[in-house]
Amino acid sequence: DTGVSQDPRHKITKRGQNVTFRCDPISEHNRLYWYRQTLGQGPEFLTYFQNEAQLEKSRLLSDRFSAERPKGSFSTLEIQRTEQGDSAMYLCASSLLIGSYGYTFGSGTRLTVV
Amino acid sequence: GQQLNQSPQSMFIQEGEDVSMNCTSSSIFNTWLWYKQDPGEGPVLLIALYKAGELTSNGRLTAQFGITRKDSFLNISASIPSDVGIYFCAGAMEYGNKLVFGAGTILRVKS
Repeated sequence: DTGVSQDPRHKITKRGQNVTFRCDPISEHNRLYWYRQTLGQGPEFLTYFQNEAQLEKSRLLSDRFSAERPKGSFSTLEIQRTEQGDSAMYLCASSLLIGSYGYTFGSGTRLTVV
Repeated sequence: GQQLNQSPQSMFIQEGEDVSMNCTSSSIFNTWLWYKQDPGEGPVLLIALYKAGELTSNGRLTAQFGITRKDSFLNISASIPSDVGIYFCAGAMEYGNKLVFGAGTILRVKS
């Protein structure tokens, strides 16, 4: 297993365009999380899934954001009508429901909205 | 909302020195994690703590889960240049729930 994989690593888009990011978690992990990180800050929680069920969404996740995990494996995060304030690193993490192995993060997708 | 206060904000130390950083919360957490992040990469787990009072080591790193469940510290002994990076504490109400992160401690090492 190669860990949590995110694609793309970098995305530059024009304001108003839609973007979609993909996350492939560690295969046996049933929980998957999305975070957003801006420069000089720690990651901020956006949403998380247990298998295909979305269990919690942050107030940061406006109507323009949607996340899915249709088969309980990979997940996508879509941002519609991007704004400059959406520029950030989007991080995905996965974990087991129980256990003592921590949460494993991917390398992130760096979004720049111009 | 929940917040973690992490200090110091940054440190510039001599190679070989010991480093100490801590994290406090106004809320109780039942899981504390410490991560290191390099520029342009995701956070990498250093140490995970699951029990109040727990003291855990990982090589030159030692972390403790405060007895009140509202704080944690991380020590790095005999720092080396590759310790440079940003260190984050993170807490969860229960393991498997969302993590709340501190703002990070930037560590710079003079060789």
